[in-house]
Amino acid sequence: AQKITQTQPGMFVQEKEAVTLDCTYDTSDQSYGLFWYKQPSSGEMIFLIYQGSYDEQNATEGRYSLNFQKARKSANLVISASQLGDSAMYFCAMRERFGNEKLTFGTGTRLTIIP
Amino acid sequence: DGGITQSPKYLFRKEGQNVTLSCEQNLNHDAMYWYRQDPGQGLRLIYYSQIVNDFQKGDIAEGYSVSREKKESFPLTVTSAQKNPTAFYLCASRGTDENTEAFFGQGTRLTVV
Repeated sequence: AQKITQTQPGMFVQEKEAVTLDCTYDTSDQSYGLFWYKQPSSGEMIFLIYQGSYDEQNATEGRYSLNFQKARKSANLVISASQLGDSAMYFCAMRERFGNEKLTFGTGTRLTIIP
Repeated sequence: DGGITQSPKYLFRKEGQNVTLSCEQNLNHDAMYWYRQDPGQGLRLIYYSQIVNDFQKGDIAEGYSVSREKKESFPLTVTSAQKNPTAFYLCASRGTDENTEAFFGQGTRLTVV
C-alpha cells in the first residue's frame, strides 16, 4: 500500500494565485514527520517545510504553509502568491520513527506557473 | 562547506557490469538514504541506514547492495541482477532530531547500454 499519496500528477496555475498541492499519508506510527520538497528541472532537492505529528499549529515558512489535518491524514502544501520560479516537481515525504527512521516519498506533483 | 557529495554526476556502464555509486557526507548525520528516480516519477527508497554497520532494505532493494562502514560514507552498488538500472540516483542524509530535514546530493545519472 502507498504510504504517501499525491493525487495530482500535474497542475497549472496563474502567476500570483495561491495553489494547494495535496498529500495524504498512511501510518500506524504515533510519532512521525511530514516534509515537502521542491525539485526544479536541475534535479536538486530543496527542502521547503516540515510538520511534526505532535505539532498543534500548522507550519509556515514564508510563502509556504502546510495544512495539516491529522484525523484525515492529510498534509497539503499551500503556496501563496505563486511565482514563475515555483514551476517544479513537488514531493511530499514522511519519516516514520518505528521504521528505523524510514523516509518515504510520494510520486510528486508537477506544478507549472503560467505568466 | 558542509554537505553531501555524490560522484560521479554521470555514469555509463555496459549491461551486466556491477557499478558503485559514491555518497559522502560531512554533516555528521547518522541516517543515510538511497533513492531511485525514473523520468517524471517520484523517489523510491532503495536502502537506508540509521547507524554505522547497519542498514535496512527499502521498497526496491532487489538488485542493489550497500555498505556502511563509516558514518560519512554510504556507497550503493548496482549489480547485474538489477533488471532496469538506468535511472537517476539520489543520496540523502539526515540528523536524528525529529524535525530535521534530509539533505540531498546532486544525484548520479546512471545509463546502462
